[in-house]
Amino acid sequence: GAVVSQHPSWVICKSGTSVKIECRSLDFQATTMFWYRQFPKQSLMLMATSNEGSKATYEQGVEKDKFLINHASLTLSTLTVTSAHPEDSSFYICSAPPMTGGRETQYFGPGTRLLVL
Amino acid sequence: AQTVTQSQPEMSVQEAETVTLSCTYDTSESDYYLFWYKQPPSRQMILVIRQEAYKQQNATENRFSVNFQKAAKSFSLKISDSQLGDAAMYFCAYRSASGANSKLTFGKGITLSVRP
Repeated sequence: GAVVSQHPSWVICKSGTSVKIECRSLDFQATTMFWYRQFPKQSLMLMATSNEGSKATYEQGVEKDKFLINHASLTLSTLTVTSAHPEDSSFYICSAPPMTGGRETQYFGPGTRLLVL
Repeated sequence: AQTVTQSQPEMSVQEAETVTLSCTYDTSESDYYLFWYKQPPSRQMILVIRQEAYKQQNATENRFSVNFQKAAKSFSLKISDSQLGDAAMYFCAYRSASGANSKLTFGKGITLSVRP
């Protein structure tokens, strides 16, 4: 199956700093990528939809100035958590449907664990 | 808006036995996809099975099968011959077929434990 990578897999940062998380589709192109947040034992909560070449679409309640999304190319989307605080500590997951073939399926990255001290 | 409901937070099954995980959904659309995803302790999301709403035949993938009842908006997952590796969190998900890049809507998930 198609592969989506995330980097870093694990990050610890100090409160007030910014953290960038990368999501890459390794063997397919994607005009859209999705960013989720997941707390332990809970479901995935969609934060935003990343669109290549245009602005991201944020879900209600998600601060767009805090969670900056850039879809730089057809294989890369980044999520930057700005001025991170301990409550931003969570597991962040990206997913992407291929542009061509099997578009009904989304492929998930392995996730990034963020801990803000 | 579409909703997906998984009302059982936890279930347990004896190894080699069969277990059924329940899921209901609500939508006004006629064309959509339904999924079951597995999330093991590694937290990597793994697609277990997929069902196209226009197909009447229930999807099957080896030990995994679904009971898709479109009129009742029900989509349960049956795991046969349960194995220790099946222990994980399972999510039911819905995706509209109206847009190529439509988002997934997840249920709350169910934690499945397998007793040796």
